[in-house]
Amino acid sequence: NAGVIQTPRHKVTGKGQEATLWCEPISGHSAVFWYRQTIVQGLEFLTYFRNQAPIDDSGMPKERFSAQMPNQSHSTLKIQSTQPQDSAVYLCASSLGDWGGAEQFFGPGTRLTVL
Amino acid sequence: GEQVEQRPPHLSVREGDSAVITCTYTDPNSYYFFWYKQEPGASLQLLMKVFSSTEINEGQGFTVLLNKKDKRLSLNLTAAHPGDSAAYFCAVSPLIASSSFSKLVFGQGTSLSVVP
Repeated sequence: NAGVIQTPRHKVTGKGQEATLWCEPISGHSAVFWYRQTIVQGLEFLTYFRNQAPIDDSGMPKERFSAQMPNQSHSTLKIQSTQPQDSAVYLCASSLGDWGGAEQFFGPGTRLTVL
Repeated sequence: GEQVEQRPPHLSVREGDSAVITCTYTDPNSYYFFWYKQEPGASLQLLMKVFSSTEINEGQGFTVLLNKKDKRLSLNLTAAHPGDSAAYFCAVSPLIASSSFSKLVFGQGTSLSVVP
């Protein structure tokens, strides 16, 4: 079991460019979550998929951010026209189920730096 | 919505001493509680999960206490050693009867340093 895989581990973009972050959940896990981690805001929930369907995107900035899960083996988080305030570590997690007590297994994160 | 406050943000203790990290939460419906450890450059690693029906959970070298009345959760590392140096996060998951999902609401984190 390789755990949750996130690529790339580090990404540097210029202001205004697009960034796409990839996540491969643990095989057999039906729920995939995206979080963002910054020094100022801490760990914030962004969005979540259950069986590839988007369920809750209440944490996603309404503009420029989008997430997809085209198949059970990967999810993407896309940020259009990146801004310096988007700089953060983006964490992906997966779990067997989406009930409140289900353990979420986290990937190592993608550190995004917007210059 | 649920809000979680974690204290202290930074903690330095000597090897062999205990270290206590505390989280307070606001939603009385919160039911599941988690402690995660994050070493530099590494993933969040689950230390322990507790339910609102339990009050004391013991792991390897640490104890988790849940006080439902005060809505307080604490992690007590007993006899800390340098390998415990890391960031620690509490997370709270409210029970939502109408939904099978409840997102994790995290505390701000505690950076623990254990000095030899």
